Amino acid sequence: SAVISQKPSRDICQRGTSLTIQCQVDSQVTMMFWYRQQPGQSLTLIATANQGSEATYESGFVIDKFPISRPNLTFSTLTVSNMSPEDSSIYLCSGGTDSYEQYFGPGTRLTVT
Amino acid sequence: GQSLEQPSEVTAVEGAIVQINCTYQTSGFYGLSWYQQHDGGAPTFLSYNGLDGLEETGRFSSFLSRSDSYGYLLLQELQMKDSASYFCAVRDRGTGFQKLVFGTGTRLLVSP
Repeated sequence: SAVISQKPSRDICQRGTSLTIQCQVDSQVTMMFWYRQQPGQSLTLIATANQGSEATYESGFVIDKFPISRPNLTFSTLTVSNMSPEDSSIYLCSGGTDSYEQYFGPGTRLTVT
Repeated sequence: GQSLEQPSEVTAVEGAIVQINCTYQTSGFYGLSWYQQHDGGAPTFLSYNGLDGLEETGRFSSFLSRSDSYGYLLLQELQMKDSASYFCAVRDRGTGFQKLVFGTGTRLLVSP
């Protein structure tokens, strides 16, 4: 198993600004992912964070809006750029050695005003 | 593409047994996972079925029928703490099974 921490846990930001969310895993994991979840809704995959290379984005998500870094096996960041109220959501990172069993961070609750 | 359908809400009483169903349509299939998420909490992994049949983990069991594109999570001896949302998820073949697609989620409400 793995323990995943995220920070910040929550933030309130003004539109047009950017926020970087950090994700730290306590052990080396092969895969790291970033998700978005609206309260009461399912999880939507934003991208797969690849160590030392560009992230793999899902349809509807682009690098200019959600740049992701993963400099090593235990750390990743997600930036939400040029924010609008539609970006208000919970952002979750996850990691695992196999995609079917992922360990999730506690999430970052973002509100954009 | 992938789609996974679950009932939106299920209610039950303490001590009862409840079954949460998941039907899926995928371009390729490589196993069904289940996750639990309490309000305000992180999703936590419960079980995985790579092959047909029943997998048991304590009070929780999960079943898969690949021919029917169907699975379920069975919760026995329900406790109040089991009130949570439950998600089924499949691995996506399109990326070599390297990512999960989550179902719509089922909110379980357990009453005394």
